[in-house]
Amino acid sequence: EVQLVQSGAEVKKPGESLKISCKGSGYNVADHWIAWVRQMPGKGLEWMGMIYPADSDTRYIPSFQGQVTISADRSTSTAYLQWSSLKASDTAMYYCARRGFYGGHSFAFDFWGQGTMVTVSS
Amino acid sequence: SYELTQPPSLSVSPGQTATITCSGHNLGDNYVCWYQQRPGQSPILVIYQNNRRPSGIPERFSGSSSGNTATLTISGTQALDESDYYCQAWDGLTSGVFGGGTKLTVL
Repeated sequence: EVQLVQSGAEVKKPGESLKISCKGSGYNVADHWIAWVRQMPGKGLEWMGMIYPADSDTRYIPSFQGQVTISADRSTSTAYLQWSSLKASDTAMYYCARRGFYGGHSFAFDFWGQGTMVTVSS
Repeated sequence: SYELTQPPSLSVSPGQTATITCSGHNLGDNYVCWYQQRPGQSPILVIYQNNRRPSGIPERFSGSSSGNTATLTISGTQALDESDYYCQAWDGLTSGVFGGGTKLTVL
């Protein structure tokens, strides 16, 4: 059974650092991209970026480039999302999702983690 | 950057057909996915490759895409279908984009 299990909720102060995790199991984690998706309170889904655990090739959308760092540890089948200096505007639910491949240029986020709620408040 | 536009909300009565649209420039040249997100839950994939259903997704969910518009259709809508629905496509092969989401109310 494919599973993505994320780390627990976090409460942080502005300026603090944070690293959250997403551990995959039940499939070959190395050869599927894992994406991170932000959902701010009451808002929609925003694709942030993704990583290919086999070689740590990482892609970001421009608005998140330089704001967060996506990494992976192939040996533990775990992807990470980290901040060096949190802001109140980083308060959101963060989901990881596996990008499944369905042939040709057909991809889909077919399995999702349970989400990690990050609250940044002074 | 690539943008996908969805209506913010849609209301249908139980048993009716719900049609949710997603528009984007030359969207028909792209594969579109649809996700359902119930309140307080993670999204789940309900349609991929424009019109394919993952195993376990009821047959009442279907999708289509042509020109600049993709459509998610829910036939015989049930109360448990009340959710937010998001379309998603790719801007290039490694940059995903979601639509703004449509809140489906079944009343």
